[in-house]
Amino acid sequence: SQWGEENLQALSIQEGEDVTMNCSYKTYTTVVQWYRQKSGKGPAQLILIRSNEREKRSGRLRATLDTSSQSSSLSITGTLATDTAVYFCATAQNSNNRIFFGDGTQLVVKP
Amino acid sequence: GGIITQTPKFLIGQEGQKLTLKCQQNFNHDTMYWYRQDSGKGLRLIYYSITENDLQKGDLSEGYDASREKKSSFSLTVTSAQKNEMAVFLCASSIDSFGAGNTLYFGEGSRLIVV
Repeated sequence: SQWGEENLQALSIQEGEDVTMNCSYKTYTTVVQWYRQKSGKGPAQLILIRSNEREKRSGRLRATLDTSSQSSSLSITGTLATDTAVYFCATAQNSNNRIFFGDGTQLVVKP
Repeated sequence: GGIITQTPKFLIGQEGQKLTLKCQQNFNHDTMYWYRQDSGKGLRLIYYSITENDLQKGDLSEGYDASREKKSSFSLTVTSAQKNEMAVFLCASSIDSFGAGNTLYFGEGSRLIVV
């Protein structure tokens, strides 16, 4: 199936726990971006990692990229209830503007 | 900062009707996108445009038309609305190439309801 056709993966954790979400992509990309979508809103970018980077950190966020397995992960440490959202990775097909979003993870952080 | 405005927020139409969604951005971005998001699922690319009057098909373009008559606006037309395409439609823009690491900025979405 195409990306975006599968149901969102669901994760439910307690506030304060750490969480890691994974993403596999199918074609070469120069950049992986991670987006967060809160209920009723459009997605917003969280972090970007380039193909020549293995890891990128921003505050409580850590993104990794393994170009050999075409996979990326997003970790959040010390989660807060306000981290409750859907998280997507996004890649560009052949480095052009044809952008694809992964199937997404619905994260619920219970206070 | 800029903003992406999608209108209408809710679009209700009858089966078979032609319906149009509009998107305006004041970022002065070159590239604009339309995605469809079905309930509980991810985003699927319908159309994108890299500059005024340019149109590029995504994976879900069948049943849709798009128009980019101005740099700041990108409209999407559902040519014959069907009940199985009730979804949220998201418009986004970026400076130019995503591959260069440019961020996509999204509107809040327009929900299509077909009765």
